[in-house]
Amino acid sequence: AQSVAQPEDQVNVAEGNPLTVKCTYSVSGNPYLFWYVQYPNRGLQFLLKYITGDNLVKGSYGFEAEFNKSQTSFHLKKPSALVSDSALYFCASAGGYNKLIFGAGTRLAVHP
Amino acid sequence: SAVISQKPSRDICQRGTSLTIQCQVDSQVTMMFWYRQQPGQSLTLIATANQGSEATYESGFVIDKFPISRPNLTFSTLTVSNMSPEDSSIYLCSVLAGPLYEQFFGPGTRLTVL
Repeated sequence: AQSVAQPEDQVNVAEGNPLTVKCTYSVSGNPYLFWYVQYPNRGLQFLLKYITGDNLVKGSYGFEAEFNKSQTSFHLKKPSALVSDSALYFCASAGGYNKLIFGAGTRLAVHP
Repeated sequence: SAVISQKPSRDICQRGTSLTIQCQVDSQVTMMFWYRQQPGQSLTLIATANQGSEATYESGFVIDKFPISRPNLTFSTLTVSNMSPEDSSIYLCSVLAGPLYEQFFGPGTRLTVL
């Protein structure tokens, strides 16, 4: 069965420091992986996706993610965190019929 | 991309009543999805709604409880029937509107059942 795991409930980072939000996946076949962000009282916003090609994927708001097949990981990264990056982040994989399977979510808190 | 609106944005309902949530998209899309996000939880897919066919429900969700309409390529409704406090959640619609599996989400409907 397809699944996505986000091992950290919360990640705390100081503003200006690099951030990493972890995601591991378990899928059969080629993985189609996504990151979404949810700000308070708002819907999900698409950040980036990996379908095929370069393992380093660049997305919105300066975020990037690295696909690592051997470690079955797709960690979200940003070189320099902003307070405004504080939000709930979801990793997801796309299975059959375009259904998205979401991880549990990681709350990112960036402190001034 | 696609711009998606949902009505209502939030509601407080009494146990045993029903609420219909509307989802409007600014472009024609084939696939629409309805998700539930329970308090402090991740998103769970309720059903897939394609125009011109019956909605396909995920395990644990049934048509009698969550009837869905998809009358055209830009609109869908989800009804939460005979509500109980356990139905208190955020309900989100999404559409497949980008190249290769890219889904866009509406702002969500925050439902509280008393």
